[in-house]
Amino acid sequence: AQSVTQLGSHVSVSEGALVLLRCNYSSSVPPYLFWYVQYPNQGLQLLLKYTSAATLVKGINGFEAEFKKSETSFHLTKPSAHMSDAAEYFCAVSGGNQGGKLIFGQGTELSVKP
Amino acid sequence: EAGVAQSPRYKIIEKRQSVAFWCNPISGHATLYWYQQILGQGPKLLIQFQNNGVVDDSQLPKDRFSAERLKGVDSTLKIQPAKLEDSAVYLCASSLVSINGNTIYFGEGSWLTVV
Repeated sequence: AQSVTQLGSHVSVSEGALVLLRCNYSSSVPPYLFWYVQYPNQGLQLLLKYTSAATLVKGINGFEAEFKKSETSFHLTKPSAHMSDAAEYFCAVSGGNQGGKLIFGQGTELSVKP
Repeated sequence: EAGVAQSPRYKIIEKRQSVAFWCNPISGHATLYWYQQILGQGPKLLIQFQNNGVVDDSQLPKDRFSAERLKGVDSTLKIQPAKLEDSAVYLCASSLVSINGNTIYFGEGSWLTVV
């Protein structure tokens, strides 16, 4: 079975600081990995996804993530946080016989201090 | 291109009442998903359709939840009777096909409060 663990339910950074949101996955087959963002009272928006091409994936709004098979990780980073980045971030996995559906982590709430 | 449409956005009902949510996926998307997101948790799949057939409903509480996608386009999720623990956001999503790695697009959600 596949699963995702997001380390830290809440992360707080200062504006302009590095953003690092951690995601570790468990999968017996090559995984597809996703990061979604959810702003208050809205649905989920895709930030980026890994589909076995380049291990460093660039997404929207300056975010990127690196797939590290040896560490079973797919951490999300952004060099400089903006106030508008404050939101809930979800890591998700699919693969094997999942038929395309996503299995989500529990989410990390990002706060950005001025 | 229009996104995934859901209605109603917000609903408050008393326990043991019924409620229905409607979803219209992105045009041309064969796969439709319903996810339940309880406050403070990640979304959990309730049911997945491929056209008008069910692909996965293993986590749907079938004694109270039902869903249909009769013509392979829009879908309805019903809860009857509702329990307090059903308070959650119900997210509809769609993708072109049911292939791993395919991008899944989400609607804005239907927020249910059961009192």
